[in-house]
Amino acid sequence: RKEVEQDPGPFNVPEGATVAFNCTYSNSASQSFFWYRQDCRKEPKLLMSVYSSGNEDGRFTAQLNRASQYISLLIRDSKLSDSATYLCVVAQVGGVSTLTFGKGTMLLVSP
Amino acid sequence: DAGITQSPRHKVTETGTPVTLRCHQTENHRYMYWYRQDPGHGLRLIHYSYGVKDTDKGEVSDGYSVSRSKTEDFLLTLESATSSQTSVYFCAISDFEGGLGYGYTFGSGTRLTVV
Repeated sequence: RKEVEQDPGPFNVPEGATVAFNCTYSNSASQSFFWYRQDCRKEPKLLMSVYSSGNEDGRFTAQLNRASQYISLLIRDSKLSDSATYLCVVAQVGGVSTLTFGKGTMLLVSP
Repeated sequence: DAGITQSPRHKVTETGTPVTLRCHQTENHRYMYWYRQDPGHGLRLIHYSYGVKDTDKGEVSDGYSVSRSKTEDFLLTLESATSSQTSVYFCAISDFEGGLGYGYTFGSGTRLTVV
């Protein structure tokens, strides 16, 4: 079983739509969770951390369900500029904790 | 943006030659990482460092070595490049273990082609 799994998409949505991405992780000892955004041929950039209580940043809402080992990202009122690949990221506990990345979900927002 | 630069940005090399990629940071972060990104695989950890001269292997370390002789520089060496090492290589830095709190900051990447 892969450590971090995401639906690769692409998700094709019109501007203004609400879209949700889901992610599951296999290591129940994982401690930190993030969503990253990656534009085509660019480096990944941190979008937001994910907390157990859920957190919101403008149009973006992230949720974590530790019991189900499930992370979600909700984007409201999609903009053309939201078109990108969204990476689900989990900190793997080890000698030194490192981040493990999902393969990403591609979002295409059309006019 | 955090001060992290990778060099070179692009490189074409021949099979069997050694190649060194450089990651330089001006943030004085303790943790540095090398990832490769390939279609269908996503980002995979090659090696990481948790201090000067302190390094460890990641998921896909075979054929790669690293060195960190000072805080700001983390070098990735392909000892004898193979076509399977054609990839985009990203360096990342973090002030905290596991990216706790602020995640990682990535460099712009190095596109390596082995012919």
